[in-house]
Amino acid sequence: DAGITQSPRHKVTETGTPVTLRCHQTENHRYMYWYRQDPGHGLRLIHYSYGVKDTDKGEVSDGYSVSRSKTEDFLLTLESATSSQTSVYFCAISGGLNTGELFFGEGSRLTVL
Amino acid sequence: TQLLEQSPQFLSIQEGENLTVYCNSSSVFSSLQWYRQEPGEGPVLLVTVVTGGEVKKLKRLTFQFGDARKDSSLHITAAQPGDTGLYLCAGVGDTNAGKSTFGDGTTLTVKP
Repeated sequence: DAGITQSPRHKVTETGTPVTLRCHQTENHRYMYWYRQDPGHGLRLIHYSYGVKDTDKGEVSDGYSVSRSKTEDFLLTLESATSSQTSVYFCAISGGLNTGELFFGEGSRLTVL
Repeated sequence: TQLLEQSPQFLSIQEGENLTVYCNSSSVFSSLQWYRQEPGEGPVLLVTVVTGGEVKKLKRLTFQFGDARKDSSLHITAAQPGDTGLYLCAGVGDTNAGKSTFGDGTTLTVKP
């Protein structure tokens, strides 16, 4: 299995507070992704990274920012959490942008009250 | 935007039955993946298909990529309770710049 760990695995926070989710990989893969999964919406891409300090927006990027200062770490930040950001967040990695073969972490469940 | 539609959304069957799950789009994909996800875990890659008409078998699971590379199917023979889970298809194509587009998934329950 790909070495991907997400932290925290569970978090409850209040509206308006900042939240940072961390994804750590030991596979030295170039590409990293953040998805959110909601009932009825499947997996939707928030942001992705194609290298250190190289990031780009996905289809649902509003309200989220990311940073990648090291190959192994990809951080997702909610600057001011809202209830609509209650979701399960998954980090994924891949060895190539066009392979489509993603390896996922176990997810971080975020509840915004 | 490339969309993938999966059907059925929910499927509940008895152990030993056969089933087919479909993944359809109006767009062409350069590759298509199938994932299986269990509650509380991330999706796990099952297979990648890249050639139109391609058929791949993984034990009791058979995956097919449509000739036009717009659709795919997953067939499970003699389903077992261990097959229970959420099955997701995802595609990579020219118009989504190499990023995966996911279908909404099929939730399969196999009753013993």
